[in-house]
Amino acid sequence: KQEVTQIPAALSVPEGENLVLNCSFTDSAIYNLQWFRQDPGKGLTSLLLIQSSQREQTSGRLNASLDKSSGRSTLYIAASQPGDSATYLCVVRNPGANNLFFGTGTRLTVIP
Amino acid sequence: DADVTQTPRNRITKTGKRIMLECSQTKGHDRMYWYRQDPGLGLQLIYYSFDVKDINKGEISDGYSVSRQAQAKFSLSLESAIPNQTALYFCATSDSRQSSNQPQHFGDGTRLSIL
Repeated sequence: KQEVTQIPAALSVPEGENLVLNCSFTDSAIYNLQWFRQDPGKGLTSLLLIQSSQREQTSGRLNASLDKSSGRSTLYIAASQPGDSATYLCVVRNPGANNLFFGTGTRLTVIP
Repeated sequence: DADVTQTPRNRITKTGKRIMLECSQTKGHDRMYWYRQDPGLGLQLIYYSFDVKDINKGEISDGYSVSRQAQAKFSLSLESAIPNQTALYFCATSDSRQSSNQPQHFGDGTRLSIL
């Protein structure tokens, strides 16, 4: 069974810093990997989706990378802002539509 | 308006009660999913549906049932609620025709507390 781990569980950084969130998975035969943010009391917002054939995706200040062979993905956030404070979830999809595996998340706090 | 709408947003009820959580979508997606989120455990799949009247069990389906009578609606029922079903429940949709990767789109969640 695919296992998805996110480290650290919580992270606090001062505003303006660049930061990296880590996601690791045990089965490298993935279909895609998706990063979400979750705000308290709200649903999940999709940030970036990386296909299994891709190495990275970028959207604004966010860059997600994928290294299937080592079972790792990183989410890089440049010039962090207080509004980036949220829980970030890494979600791995294996072949087969129901096989979606969620990490436990990293709670990010950006201090003004 | 939200594309994926869950009702109610919050619900407190007693052990043994029957509860229904509703999910509706305006995205025209064929696939719908129900997940629960518990602190420290991430999200777990309860049931999913590929089309109207298609029902498939996820990894934690015991104690739950679902109904997909229309493409836009996917309801989750707890026939006799128990306290360990207290959790945050999410509905999601995806479109199998959009692309091979089919990103999932989530509702805002339903916080369910069972006393």
